[in-house]
Amino acid sequence: GAVVSQHPSRVICKSGTSVKIECRSLDFQATTMFWYRQFPKQSLMLMATSNEGSKATYEQGVEKDKFLINHASLTLSTLTVTSAHPEDSSFYICSAREERSSQFFGPGTRLTVL
Amino acid sequence: QKEVEQNSGPLSVPEGAIASLNCTYSDRGSQSFFWYRQYSGKSPELIMFIYSNGDKEDGRFTAQLNKASQYVSLLIRDSQPSDSATYLCAVTVTGGGNKLTFGTGTQLKVEL
Repeated sequence: GAVVSQHPSRVICKSGTSVKIECRSLDFQATTMFWYRQFPKQSLMLMATSNEGSKATYEQGVEKDKFLINHASLTLSTLTVTSAHPEDSSFYICSAREERSSQFFGPGTRLTVL
Repeated sequence: QKEVEQNSGPLSVPEGAIASLNCTYSDRGSQSFFWYRQYSGKSPELIMFIYSNGDKEDGRFTAQLNKASQYVSLLIRDSQPSDSATYLCAVTVTGGGNKLTFGTGTQLKVEL
């Protein structure tokens, strides 16, 4: 299957700082990338959908000014959590989708905000 | 009503038995159906997808889809301890931009 990487895998930061998470499709061009958040013992919640070269589409209740998404190329999307607070601590997972294909998930980034 | 429903479990089966995982969905416009496996602390891994009514087999896994009854199931034959994980059902709908809607997952425990 297709390979999707995320970096970093784990980050601990102080409240008020910003954190950038990268998502890369390593062996295919991703027409669409998705960002999810997963709290303990809960399912994945879609945050936003991003297409290369265009603005991301955010799900209801997700603050676009807090969760900045940039999809600069067909292999890279970034999520920046701005002014992070403890309630933003979660497991952030990206997925990438090739044209007419399934979604493949990255390994996830565990964010802890102190 | 949740869009995609799964029994949270845990579902316990003995090693070598068949594990049956079920999922129901509310939107009749749902087109594609996926089963993902997620180990604790890890991201989901695609196991199978199915688009048409009936059965689809891949190794020890069989996905079953019944659009009239709006359910999709996953059978795991010859269950192994390594199959112990949470299994997530996900669906996409027409016009949904290929977005996946996930169920809350069923925890499977395969016991020795």
